[in-house]
Amino acid sequence: AQSVAQPEDQVNVAEGNPLTVKCTYSVSGNPYLFWYVQYPNRGLQFLLKYITGDNLVKGSYGFEAEFNKSQTSFHLKKPSALVSDSALYFCAVRDHDKLIFGTGTRLQVFP
Amino acid sequence: KAGVTQTPRYLIKTRGQQVTLSCSPISGHRSVSWYQQTPGQGLQFLFEYFSETQRNKGNFPGRFSGRQFSNSRSEMNVSTLELGDSALYLCASSFGDRGGYEQYFGPGTRLTVT
Repeated sequence: AQSVAQPEDQVNVAEGNPLTVKCTYSVSGNPYLFWYVQYPNRGLQFLLKYITGDNLVKGSYGFEAEFNKSQTSFHLKKPSALVSDSALYFCAVRDHDKLIFGTGTRLQVFP
Repeated sequence: KAGVTQTPRYLIKTRGQQVTLSCSPISGHRSVSWYQQTPGQGLQFLFEYFSETQRNKGNFPGRFSGRQFSNSRSEMNVSTLELGDSALYLCASSFGDRGGYEQYFGPGTRLTVT
């Protein structure tokens, strides 16, 4: 069965510093991986996805993610964090016609 | 292009009642999925519809049902509500139901069962 794991419940980072939100996956076959962000009382917003090709995927709001097949990881990154990036981040993997989500990582960016 | 819309945004019901939630997908999207989000269980898949056919269903009791109309709009129904059904119900639409198609989510319906 497909699954993703987000090992950190919360990540704290100072504004202007680089941020990384970790995700590891377990799939059979080729993985289709996604990152979503959720702001309070809102639905999930799509950030980026990996299907195939370049291991570094660029997405919305300056976010990018690095696909690493040997480490089965798909970490979300941003070179310079903003206070407005504070939110709940979900990694997901496609399993046929549904998404399997990780437990989420709360990102807190301090001024 | 308008995003996914869900109505109502908030609902308060009592145990034993039933509720119907509505979702309008992005124009041109034929796949609609429903998820339940709770603090304890996280995001859990309920079911997925593609061209009016239920293609997959998650591990939820039969009290949870849904349907999709010819215009791709979808409804989900929960009968005989229980306290544990209190959750944020999210609808997502996608152009395709397989592979690398991303899903776009609506703002959700917050259901509170008292």
